[in-house]
Amino acid sequence: DSGVTQTPKHLITATGQRVTLRCSPRSGDLSVYWYQQSLDQGLQFLIQYYNGEERAKGNILERFSAQQFPDLHSELNLSSLELGDSALYFCASSVALAGANEQYFGPGTRLTVT
Amino acid sequence: AQSVTQLGSHVSVSEGALVLLRCNYSSSVPPYLFWYVQYPNQGLQLLLKYTSAATLVKGINGFEAEFKKSETSFHLTKPSAHMSDAAEYFCAVRNSGSRLTFGEGTQLTVNP
Repeated sequence: DSGVTQTPKHLITATGQRVTLRCSPRSGDLSVYWYQQSLDQGLQFLIQYYNGEERAKGNILERFSAQQFPDLHSELNLSSLELGDSALYFCASSVALAGANEQYFGPGTRLTVT
Repeated sequence: AQSVTQLGSHVSVSEGALVLLRCNYSSSVPPYLFWYVQYPNQGLQLLLKYTSAATLVKGINGFEAEFKKSETSFHLTKPSAHMSDAAEYFCAVRNSGSRLTFGEGTQLTVNP
């Protein structure tokens, strides 16, 4: 158990819908990262927040957005869903903003868009 | 941008045999490198990391990796494979900020 929690574990929804994925980082970690894992794209970095502020963006679509709240939990919002958005979405957390500190991954949310 | 390449999407070994999973990196600066393991239907678990303190890094579950700057490699090894080692393994490099860029993964199969 990494200490990072993600809800829900599974999500099935239809095209065009909007969903919210939730992540609670390890106690004491200020940095939260979102990654997408799909068969065709592999593991891709989406976005990073540190202590409530967006700090880095990766290959995140405009239909996707995220935020980190004062209690440090984070939410990833996916809207106008397409079949290709079906993937495993991971949240990770780390203590600091940068450096060699490792990232601890949650169990993921498996999103299926039908 | 820094990147990693994992050679071999599938590796199969016999139980008790040496495990060798290959990773080469591309980086213009001294990199921070990581190996993660993903068991079926689970998240990623850190095996070990290289942060320039020592070129031979020991991790969990008997795994280790050696950083070789001249070969731009960070291969993962384990002297004797166990059935429980069957999983997917990812090499990653820390990129700008602290995002991780992952390789494509290597699926390890351990045969009895």
